[in-house]
Amino acid sequence: NAGVTQTPKFRVLKTGQSMTLLCAQDMNHEYMYWYRQDPGMGLRLIHYSVGEGTTAKGEVPDGYNVSRLKKQNFLLGLESAAPSQTSVYFCASSSVAGLKQFFGPGTRLTVL
Amino acid sequence: DQQVKQNSPSLSVQEGRISILNCDYTNSMFDYFLWYKKYPAEGPTFLISISSIKDKNEDGRFTVFLNKSAKHLSLHIVPSQPGDSAVYFCAASASSGSARQLTFGSGTQLTVLP
Repeated sequence: NAGVTQTPKFRVLKTGQSMTLLCAQDMNHEYMYWYRQDPGMGLRLIHYSVGEGTTAKGEVPDGYNVSRLKKQNFLLGLESAAPSQTSVYFCASSSVAGLKQFFGPGTRLTVL
Repeated sequence: DQQVKQNSPSLSVQEGRISILNCDYTNSMFDYFLWYKKYPAEGPTFLISISSIKDKNEDGRFTVFLNKSAKHLSLHIVPSQPGDSAVYFCAASASSGSARQLTFGSGTQLTVLP
């Protein structure tokens, strides 16, 4: 039982490049979330999903897109990376909306 | 405007003593509160939670207190151990249809000195 896994762990992009972050969970959770963590700001919600095939915007969605084609996977895409998107990205899942969430180990992204 | 605030970025405590981490919130609609612990290079892990219908919840060395009138919650760790050194985030949730979300504070770095 791996819980929540994230791929890749580290990535360096140049401004304007695109990439996709993959999140996978093996707990059969309905709800999945993408957060970013920046120094002094805690975790901020980017997008979330309440079930397979559904997505919704969180607090800071601009510049990101998401897809949930399979229940166990939640993808976060950056179409044209900007230096302001340099951050640590965390994926999480839960069986009950908004309550006890299980987090992945994070992806550290640097945009030059 | 931050709805969940942790005003102390850091806290140092001697091993064996009590650690008290504080969190304030502004949104009166929040009805569920959680504490997460985060070690470097790892994701946050759930520690303890409390519903707004309670004012205290205890789990081993960890106790969370909720003062709704003051919109304040605190996490007590007794006794503190060096392994408790981590960043602690408080989070709050409000019911909003099917889409409950967590709002996090900025975190407090706890250092427990041996």
